[in-house]
Parts: sequence; C-alpha cells; structure tokens
Amino acid sequence: NAGVMQNPRHLVRRRGQEARLRCSPMKGHSHVYWYRQLPEEGLKFMVYLQKENIIDESGMPKERFSAEFPKEGPSILRIQQVVRGDSAAYFCASSPYQRGLETQYFGPGTRLLVL
Amino acid sequence: SQQGEEDPQALSIQEGENATMNCSYKTSINNLQWYRQNSGRGLVHLILIRSNEREKHSGRLRVTLDTSKKSSSLLITASRAADTASYFCATDVTGTASKLTFGTGTRLQVTL
Repeated sequence: NAGVMQNPRHLVRRRGQEARLRCSPMKGHSHVYWYRQLPEEGLKFMVYLQKENIIDESGMPKERFSAEFPKEGPSILRIQQVVRGDSAAYFCASSPYQRGLETQYFGPGTRLLVL
Repeated sequence: SQQGEEDPQALSIQEGENATMNCSYKTSINNLQWYRQNSGRGLVHLILIRSNEREKHSGRLRVTLDTSKKSSSLLITASRAADTASYFCATDVTGTASKLTFGTGTRLQVTL
C-alpha cells in the first residue's frame, strides 16, 4: 500500500507565476488535508477536503489560493501569482476518517521556492 | 501562546539517555498525536492518544496525556543517533473536523 504521494517534490517559480501542487492520498482514504510549513516552524492547517467537497478552508489565504479534490485524480493545491512569501514546504495528509482511525498520514511534501 | 506548544525548543542528549518532550495546549481535544520530522523530510506518525487515555506505549516511546493540565509528554528511552529529528505534537481539537493544530516542535539532537 503506497503512502501519500506528492509531486513535484521541489518547485521553483518566479513571482507572478502559478504553482500547482498535487497530492494522491493513500489507497482507501477519502479525506485530504493540506498544511504549510515555514522554515523552523510547525505545520499550519490550510484546507480539508473530501471527494468533490471542501469541508474546511479556514486556513487558506482569501486570495490566490485554491484547492480541489475531484472525483477522479489527485487533490490539487493551486497558488496563483506567487509571491516570495509563498516559499514554504506544503504537506498533504490523508486519512480514512473512520472512528478509531483518525491518524493522518503525511506525504513527503512539496518545497516551493519563489524567486 | 499557541495551541500545541512544545517544550523545550531544543534538546541535546547523548546516545543511550532518555529524552522527554512536553506539549501544552489550550482547548478541548479529541486526541493528541506526536510526529517526527527529519530535516527536510515529511512527517512520520509516532503515536495517537485519545482524550480518555492517560498513557500509551509504542516500542521505546511512552506518551502521557493530562487533560486537566492540558499537557502531554513524549518520552524516548535509550535514545539513538537515528532519533535525531524534530518532534511535533498535534492536537485534534474538538469540533474542528479533525484538522490538526501543530506546535513549533522540539529539535532533538542525539550525539554518539
């Protein structure tokens, strides 16, 4: 059973470009979470999605950021018109969200560098 | 202070010694989880303890939870150089649809 997969692992963008980060949850997991980690800091929650639904986006910046988890395919975190402050590691986690199975399993992350 | 604060921020010990890290939080939780992160890598889940549990063991790891004090501790016994990493506690706050709130972590250095 493959773990959570994220790609790309490293992404370099110039200011103003778009960044698209992908996350494939573990097999059987229907819940996806995105977190952002700035250097030397803990992870900060961004958004929680189920298939075709955004459940909680309270941690998402109001502008330029969007996320989706379509019926087919990976979850996508999209950052439009990137700025240097968007440089961070972005982690995706998945869980089956059944009572007793609340553990979130994390992917290796995508490290975004905005030049 | 923020939900899920670890203490100390950094800890340096010798191989074979025990390492204890503490985590404090502010609000009611469903569960508390500990994760390890090696430098530049993803997070590895270590252990989950529910709000109605007081202690849990997994190999060399021992986690305690005191909901009256809103605190948890992670004990790593007989540490090894491979335990060198950052350790984070994450709380699953009641009523927040299971999003995790992370602390800033404890950086553990185990030297030979």
